[in-house]
Order: sequence, then C-alpha cells, then structure tokens
Amino acid sequence: LAKTTQPISMDSYEGQEVNITCSHNNIATNDYITWYQQFPSQGPRFIIQGYKTKVTNEVASLFIPADRKSSTLSLPRVSLSDTAVYYCLVGPTGGFKTIFGAGTRLFVKA
Amino acid sequence: EAQVTQNPRYLITVTGKKLTVTCSQNMNHEYMSWYRQDPGLGLRQIYYSMNVEVTDKGDVPEGYKVSRKEKRNFPLILESPSPNQTSLYFCASSWGQASYEQYFGPGTRLTVT
Repeated sequence: LAKTTQPISMDSYEGQEVNITCSHNNIATNDYITWYQQFPSQGPRFIIQGYKTKVTNEVASLFIPADRKSSTLSLPRVSLSDTAVYYCLVGPTGGFKTIFGAGTRLFVKA
Repeated sequence: EAQVTQNPRYLITVTGKKLTVTCSQNMNHEYMSWYRQDPGLGLRQIYYSMNVEVTDKGDVPEGYKVSRKEKRNFPLILESPSPNQTSLYFCASSWGQASYEQYFGPGTRLTVT
C-alpha cells in the first residue's frame, strides 16, 4: 500500500474554498485514491474517490495530476460544520488492507 | 436505513475478562473490517473479512479474534483484555473490497482497567 503524506492541520474561514493536498509518490498503477472525513468520536465517512484527472460530486472535487503522485481534495465554500479530520487513502482495486494516515485536521473559523 | 451497528457503544471492563463487541450490517456487504483509533496513532486495521468464513489479519491483530459465520455479522473478541487495548473501535463494511466505499459504525469506546 502506498504511503501518503498530508499536512497535519489547516485553518480556513467560512465561505472559502479549501484545498488539501496528499502526496503519494509510490502509487501503483492499479491504485485508487480515496478521501474520508471524520468528526470527533464518529466513524469516518466516505467523501470521494478517483483514479485520474478530476472527479466531482455534490460535496467535493478531487484533482489528480497526470503522474498521480499527488491528489488534491477541494471543498467549495466551507462552513463551520466542515471542521473535521480528512484522510487520504491509496490502495489497489481488489485489495483488502486499509491504511489510514495521520490525516489533516481542518478547522473552519467564523 | 443502510447502516452498520455496533454494541455496546461504551464499555468499561477489567483486565482478563473476556468480552465481545458485536458488529452488524444490513447492506449485504461482503467485506467487513475492524479498526482501532488511538490519539496520535490514527486508525489502524485489526482484522478484516472478505466473506463468510474468510478472515485475515490487519496491522494490529495481537490480542484480538474475529469470526464471520454470517454475512451480516463480524464480532470482535478480546479473550483476555489488557489496558493497552483501551481504545475507540470502529467496524466497517463495503461491497467487495477495501478500496470501495467503506461504511463505518458509530464506534465502541472500550476502557480496560
């Protein structure tokens, strides 16, 4: 499983766009990139998943450059309720092990 | 409602007293997994199951047992709990593999004294 590196923490203000970048230099050809959100004392919640280029859903966008060695989770117009820890995971299709890194603690201020 | 349930949600026990944390999902998922979360160490995978009667170790399996006799249930067994197993435990499930969207339970906070 590819190792991932994310910033430990980030601060933002309500209404701003937040971009969290994850580095995964050893990503393999059949690896997907998945992002989860976790609030205190709750289980992680799936946000978005992608393989290459750009993926968008109702919550976020995921940008993956051509070399796939990094990815960026983009949260448009964050609110106080987006304060949480965000995890980037990289793993193969067909895989069964999961490794959560340390995550990025996002703090949204009023 | 699609969900993963865990019981109990909170448990305080003493060293050496066997306990079981239950996990059940109603989504007919093949894959289930257990994690523990500790401050500064993040989420670590304990065991996972690819289907009924098929289980394998994650990164931190020592001191734990699991079984998967039915598709919907995946209990976590601590035969002789120790204080270093004090943690927040999460069960998760997904359609077929870890790379698919995993649905997490609400967590079980275990304290071993």
